[in-house]
Amino acid sequence: EAQVTQNPRYLITVTGKKLTVTCSQNMNHEYMSWYRQDPGLGLRQIYYSMNVEVTDKGDVPEGYKVSRKEKRNFPLILESPSPNQTSLYFCASSPQLLPPEAGAFFGQGTRLTVV
Amino acid sequence: GENVEQHPSTLSVQEGDSAVIKCTYSDSASNYFPWYKQELGKRPQLIIDIRSNVGEKKDQRIAVTLNKTAKHFSLHITETQPEDSAVYFCAARGLDNDMRFGAGTRLTVKP
Repeated sequence: EAQVTQNPRYLITVTGKKLTVTCSQNMNHEYMSWYRQDPGLGLRQIYYSMNVEVTDKGDVPEGYKVSRKEKRNFPLILESPSPNQTSLYFCASSPQLLPPEAGAFFGQGTRLTVV
Repeated sequence: GENVEQHPSTLSVQEGDSAVIKCTYSDSASNYFPWYKQELGKRPQLIIDIRSNVGEKKDQRIAVTLNKTAKHFSLHITETQPEDSAVYFCAARGLDNDMRFGAGTRLTVKP
């Protein structure tokens, strides 16, 4: 079954304690991205990746890191989480076709609380 | 970069009525416009999309229209049902494959 898998689904952590949210897709998609969702702000892009070893900043990259060592995985790293990073996070992937043929497939979401 | 604006932020309709959600985008190079539905506590899911070489697309009760000259596109839901209640997001993707989302519209369909 085609899917994007995020882990963990829920996480409560303390300020400053490094954490990683994993994202994996089994569709051989080139493009992967991370979004955070906050009430009234919709989905804001954090980072995206066009392919292996290629990453770029989105709209709100401050406080986050990503890596793309393999095509299927795109982890989101918070080196020193702060309470303003409390949010719902979504990973997404899509095939990189020009013109684009398909929208993004989303993971289940990770609800992060930083206290 | 691309900027997408979505209106209204909330919309309440009576069951059976139509609902229209509108989005504008800034980058004239954008060429793909998907719409996502997000039910409470769930992930966004693609419900319909349109490419820039098409003006209108319909799938049962859902239709999307695109006006490239004016840089706006709209979602139309006819004969609304309570299960249509959700948050709807529009998005625009440019040639660099980067997707930008609108802020979302919370649709409530009253029985």
